[in-house]
Amino acid sequence: DIQMTQSPTSLSASVGDRVTITCRASQSIGNYLNWYQQKAGKAPKLLIYAASSLQSGVPSGFSGSGSGTDFTLTISSLQPEDFATYYCQQSYKSPTFGQGTKVEIK
Amino acid sequence: EVQLVESGGGLVQPGGSLRLSCAASGFTFSSYEMNWVRQAPGKGLEWVSYISTTGGTIYYADSVKGRFTISRDNAKNSLYLQMNSLRAEDTAVYYCARERPSNRYAFDIWGQGTMVTVSS
Repeated sequence: DIQMTQSPTSLSASVGDRVTITCRASQSIGNYLNWYQQKAGKAPKLLIYAASSLQSGVPSGFSGSGSGTDFTLTISSLQPEDFATYYCQQSYKSPTFGQGTKVEIK
Repeated sequence: EVQLVESGGGLVQPGGSLRLSCAASGFTFSSYEMNWVRQAPGKGLEWVSYISTTGGTIYYADSVKGRFTISRDNAKNSLYLQMNSLRAEDTAVYYCARERPSNRYAFDIWGQGTMVTVSS
């Protein structure tokens, strides 16, 4: 299995902050990388697919970059509704997810 | 409205069986590849199984291979997961998830989830 490692595991930030979450794959996965947002008690929501493509309906403040083994999710200006847990997921082979990054209010 | 609604979860004893269902609406179900993804309490996400549009291609995670069976009925717009020989470690919320067209394993629509608890 391809291992996905996110960092940090959690972070505290304020509304308006720029937030960056990184995700590293245990082997090269090209651009087969997706990002999800999950709020407590809710299903995950697709934010970014193919490393950098914004899913329809997702605010433009979210962006993704990277290829190969290293990827980032950036929130340009954190909004109150963005406090959640974020997961990366590789879709190169049988899908595996990172352990999640919890974004909390500072 | 595009929607997936799971049902069939509950409490089952170790070694028991359960069948989950996922009802799709608001889109042409037969045109989409589907998956099951689970999440143990307080833990991360784990992919469980994939089925192609016709049901001709199926994949499983190693953790459930030989015990779980995915299927679909396109006439009923429904996805299923038959779970046998259940273990405590199968306790989780089970989500059905639709794949984004042309993006294998990019899950663009999720159900609300159904809880499966395996305990004596």
